[in-house]
This record gives sequence, C-alpha cells and structure tokens, in this order.
Amino acid sequence: GENVEQHPSTLSVQEGDSAVIKCTYSDSASNYFPWYKQELGKRPQLIIDIRSNVGEKKDQRIAVTLNKTAKHFSLHITETQPEDSAVYFCAASLILTGGGNKLTFGTGTQLKVEL
Amino acid sequence: DTAVSQTPKYLVTQMGNDKSIKCEQNLGHDTMYWYKQDSKKFLKIMFSYNNKELIINETVPNRFSPKSPDKAHLNLHINSLELGDSAVYFCASSQLGQGSTEAFFGQGTRLTVV
Repeated sequence: GENVEQHPSTLSVQEGDSAVIKCTYSDSASNYFPWYKQELGKRPQLIIDIRSNVGEKKDQRIAVTLNKTAKHFSLHITETQPEDSAVYFCAASLILTGGGNKLTFGTGTQLKVEL
Repeated sequence: DTAVSQTPKYLVTQMGNDKSIKCEQNLGHDTMYWYKQDSKKFLKIMFSYNNKELIINETVPNRFSPKSPDKAHLNLHINSLELGDSAVYFCASSQLGQGSTEAFFGQGTRLTVV
C-alpha cells in the first residue's frame, strides 16, 4: 500500500520567514496530493491540493510543488504569520474507481511561527 | 449548518464497554470515512463507504463495525473497548468529480477508555 513520509516533524520560523515542508510517497499510482492544516483541538482542514497532472499550484502565500518522477511534493508558506502555527499534514491519494479517495497521511509537521 | 457533524464530541468509558459514534453530512457527498488520530497525531483511515457500500476496510480489529443506513450517515460501533482504542475519531466525506475531491472532516470525537 501507499506510504507517505513527511519532514520535518517540527519547524520553527520567525514571523515573515518562509516555511517548507516536504513529503515523499511510494505508490506511483497516487494521483491526488492534498495538504491539511490542523489547529490544536480542531479538525483537519484542506489548505491546498494538487493533482498529478500539475507540477505546481499557488494560492496567495501558499504553494505546492509536485515531482512525479521523484515521488515527492512540498508545501511552501511565504511571509509566515502567527496564525499559520498548526500541524500540517500532507497526504497522497489514489482516487478509487468505486468512488471516493483513500487518503494516506504523512506523520505531520508542527509549525511554530514566532514573533 | 455544519457540513460534517459527529456526536458525541467527548466520550469517556470503561474498558469492556460498547459504544457508538454517529456521523452525518449535509453536503450531498457519496463517500464517507472514518479516520483514527492517535496520541502522536497520526491520522489513519479505518473505513470508507460509498453510497452505503463498504469500499475501504483497513486492518482494523473486528470489534469496530461501521454502519451506513444511508449515504448521509456513517456510524461507528466499537465493542469491548480497550485502553488502546483511546484516540480522536474523525468522520469525513468527499465527492468524486472533476473538481476538488476534498475530504471534509467532522470536529472529531475524543474517546478515552479508562
């Protein structure tokens, strides 16, 4: 089955700096790669996603890149703010023919943005 | 109007008891899921139903039994609860389509087995 590795497990940056989180996946059939943000005690919420036919996607301060050959993808947050502090999860998904998608999550990155 | 809602939010129970967690989504999605998040924050899929049909059944003890009475509801019943079952259980739903296949999560049920 799919295996997703995520690094680093913790990341501390100064406000205004950039943060980069990296993930690798094992199943070349995976075709959907979302990133979720989970604040303390809250539900995971999608912040950005990318499909396997796209190499890069950007949404304001957040961008995701995908290298299918190397089977890795990364999250880039620019101009970090204290409210960006949370746990971030990458995931790789095989969209099932029967419907839905089976998300395999990375182990999470605790991002702390310091003033 | 919460999109994915699950009850209860907190559940404290003794070992050996049987308990249920309920989940409902009003997004019109065909697919619903149960995920388990352990104390190390690791999120792992347990089950998935598509239009009331089980499509994903991961390596989960058979003490866990999902039930989907209709495509808007997916409940999780747990028999003979063990200490290791303590975790946060998240329900989620998604819809396969040309657009986003985003999985929307419920607020979670924190289960504590004592």
